[in-house]
Amino acid sequence: EPEVTQTPSHQVTQMGQEVILRCVPISNHLYFYWYRQILGQKVEFLVSFYNNEISEKSEIFDDQFSVERPDGSNFTLKIRSTKLEDSAMYFCASVGTLAGELFFGEGSRLTVL
Amino acid sequence: QKEVEQNSGPLSVPEGAIASLNCTYSDRGSQSFFWYRQYSGKSPELIMFIYSNGDKEDGRFTAQLNKASQYVSLLIRDSQPSDSATYLCAVNINGDSWGKLQFGAGTQVVVTP
Repeated sequence: EPEVTQTPSHQVTQMGQEVILRCVPISNHLYFYWYRQILGQKVEFLVSFYNNEISEKSEIFDDQFSVERPDGSNFTLKIRSTKLEDSAMYFCASVGTLAGELFFGEGSRLTVL
Repeated sequence: QKEVEQNSGPLSVPEGAIASLNCTYSDRGSQSFFWYRQYSGKSPELIMFIYSNGDKEDGRFTAQLNKASQYVSLLIRDSQPSDSATYLCAVNINGDSWGKLQFGAGTQVVVTP
């Protein structure tokens, strides 16, 4: 069964460092998303990406964040200068033909020290 | 502020009994409603979706929607220990992209043998 894959599974970084989280969405999906979940809290929408550009972003997704699809398969989330409060699980997801049916990757746990 | 509210639990259910989970939402523009299951440390997985008022059954799961009351529920019949997880209610709001969901904080269900 096709799946969304994410790397790394866990990253520890120092405050102020840049982090890149990588995702390979399901190959025939067209809509891609990043969500995050701070430990014990809600899953929160960050950004949606369609046709090689951002289609929507949340208030959380400020200038420190960026997304890219550098080739036909990878989808990346970059945090330029990490803060302590960026510590969370970051989920990549894609949507096929059924609205709202998000296929989530296993997540990348980011720990900022 | 668009809110999706759930009781956090834990909801303790004897094996074989019915688990009843509730969710309310604030935005009347909400058009699609979803229940995701999230095991501890894992990513969310879609188990049910419902678009229209009334009931929708899928195996041991029944989703119920009442748009007038802004209320959606999930029943799990014949609960099994493998159903022990956090259940996330999520809504898609009219005008938002397909995969942009507002999640509730989740209800933890514990099925006891």
